[in-house]
Amino acid sequence: QKEVEQDPGPLSVPEGAIVSLNCTYSNSAFQYFMWYRQYSRKGPELLMYTYSSGNKEDGRFTAQVDKSSKYISLFIRDSQPSDSATYLCAMKYTSGTYKYIFGTGTRLKVLA
Amino acid sequence: GAVVSQHPSWVICKSGTSVKIECRSLDFQATTMFWYRQFPKQSLMLMATSNEGSKATYEQGVEKDKFLINHASLTLSTLTVTSAHPEDSSFYICSARTSGRSTDTQYFGPGTRLTVL
Repeated sequence: QKEVEQDPGPLSVPEGAIVSLNCTYSNSAFQYFMWYRQYSRKGPELLMYTYSSGNKEDGRFTAQVDKSSKYISLFIRDSQPSDSATYLCAMKYTSGTYKYIFGTGTRLKVLA
Repeated sequence: GAVVSQHPSWVICKSGTSVKIECRSLDFQATTMFWYRQFPKQSLMLMATSNEGSKATYEQGVEKDKFLINHASLTLSTLTVTSAHPEDSSFYICSARTSGRSTDTQYFGPGTRLTVL
């Protein structure tokens, strides 16, 4: 079993839809949770960074962490064609190591 | 802020030659930099972690003599692929860890696409 599971997609939605992207994980020691967006042939770009459980909102993006279920989500409101990319979740253990564990990424296509 | 650059962005080389890739943190000091490899439609595979002024820590299965990493300053790390072969063709991405910031996270460079003929 992988430490982090993420549906690779592709996920196709119409413009304006609310997108829900998810990751599950198996190790309860993860404390830091990140979402990155990666366009084709580009490096990942940090979207959201959260610590422990709870919600965090930034513009059209909302990140949720449910540590009891070992489940994290990224919601994108009013999705745009420019949101079409691969979204990677990443997790880190408590301080002491800087190593990230990445999900495989979900390819998102927002159709105009 | 938190900009990381890589050079070159794209390189083609002949089998047996060596290729050096540079990773720079432009507006912050990075005590730790990471090198990843990414195959098409796959996630990032961590190759090694480098700390300024010390030897890199390689992940299991990564040949340290083939992938030479130097982290000579707080803003520059280099990855040299020695005696490159076609199977080394891949997308190489570096990231830099911020220090002294509340988020303490990694910022990625734009990547370098290596093609070995």
